[in-house]
Amino acid sequence: DGGITQSPKYLFRKEGQNVTLSCEQNLNHDAMYWYRQDPGQGLRLIYYSQIVNDFQKGDIAEGYSVSREKKESFPLTVTSAQKNPTAFYLCASTSYNEQFFGPGTRLTVL
Amino acid sequence: GQQLNQSPQSMFIQEGEDVSMNCTSSSIFNTWLWYKQDPGEGPVLLIALYKAGELTSNGRLTAQFGITRKDSFLNISASIPSDVGIYFCAGLVNRDDKIIFGKGTRLHILP
Repeated sequence: DGGITQSPKYLFRKEGQNVTLSCEQNLNHDAMYWYRQDPGQGLRLIYYSQIVNDFQKGDIAEGYSVSREKKESFPLTVTSAQKNPTAFYLCASTSYNEQFFGPGTRLTVL
Repeated sequence: GQQLNQSPQSMFIQEGEDVSMNCTSSSIFNTWLWYKQDPGEGPVLLIALYKAGELTSNGRLTAQFGITRKDSFLNISASIPSDVGIYFCAGLVNRDDKIIFGKGTRLHILP
């Protein structure tokens, strides 16, 4: 089945630790995105990548980092510099003008 | 920057009622997308619109691309309990641009 997978579904970390969220797609899409969603809120863009080995900051990139070494993979690292990391994180990829989302990872920092 | 104003923020309706929500912008978009998000899940693409004036249906859902290119509407007919969730509109100017999302309309269905 083609799609976007994110793992794990739930992640717990202690304050001060870096954590990496996985995003993989087998849709052969060039562009991939990371969004953050807080309770009752819309989607805020963290980082995006339109091609392998290239990525751009979104609206709320501070405290996050990404890499795009392979077309299929776009992992997001939430660093200890991120002040309020607890949130629901969504990965997406785009084909032509349509964007498709993964199931999300809920990160809770204790 | 570009913004989408989505309304209403939330709706409480009886099962069987029709639902209407919309998105407006001060700038033009060339693509409008409508998504539904269930609790704890990623948004699912419902309908994509590419042409001003276009009216597209997906089952009980119908969406329209406004003539001015600055708005879009989503209607749900004869609502059922599984329609509960958050509906997002999104707009895109060009293929390589960032997609702009509305803040969502939360649909509640009263028993």
